[in-house]
Amino acid sequence: EIVLTQSPGTLSLSPGERATLSCRASQSVTGNQLGWYQQKPGQTPRLLIYGASSRANGIPDRFSGSGSGTDFTLTISRLEPEDFAVYYCQQYGSSPRYSFGQGTKLEIK
Amino acid sequence: QVQLVQSGAEVKKPGASVKVSCKASGYTSTTYGINWLRQAPGQGLEWMGWISAYSGSTKYAQMFQGRVTVTTDTSTSTAYMELRSLRSDDTALYYCASGPSAIYYDTSGYPYFDYWGQGSLVAVSS
Repeated sequence: EIVLTQSPGTLSLSPGERATLSCRASQSVTGNQLGWYQQKPGQTPRLLIYGASSRANGIPDRFSGSGSGTDFTLTISRLEPEDFAVYYCQQYGSSPRYSFGQGTKLEIK
Repeated sequence: QVQLVQSGAEVKKPGASVKVSCKASGYTSTTYGINWLRQAPGQGLEWMGWISAYSGSTKYAQMFQGRVTVTTDTSTSTAYMELRSLRSDDTALYYCASGPSAIYYDTSGYPYFDYWGQGSLVAVSS
């Protein structure tokens, strides 16, 4: 079973700064099928990145994903006030079919 | 555009069952799948199971195997998730989620969750 571990648990930054979020898998992610989601309080998650590095429809280009195999990164180049939220990585594979990391909370410093 | 609308909140006693519905609109065919996930208060996301609206094929997470059943009624474009033998730690917001319509993903499931229902709160308490 693939386990995703996100770091850090909480990231405190200021608007305008660069955010780097990490997601490490316990084994290689099939076909780099790795997604990133943003969830704000009281809202449903929103898909940001799929296939490790492709932006979903309507996602600003300040969001970018990279990585392959077991190590993946979500980068927000220049934080906007609306970017402060919880971010989850998610993998698609065979066992289990889907699993999520525990989340990184991005908070305003 | 695709919309998923879920049933309302439920309060159940330990040992009972709950059945949550998810009505899909905006799909032009049945070649889509519906996933069920949950999120306990203040916690992360947990995938529970999936059903193909086209073939009725299902797949469940091992930790819920035997306790959860997902079904679909294509005549009303509604999917259902039944969870049995409820415990207090089943208290959570239950979501349905889906991806685009594509026969290619009928057996494997779409890899991501593009569309989400609004969530259905299930509270388990004696």
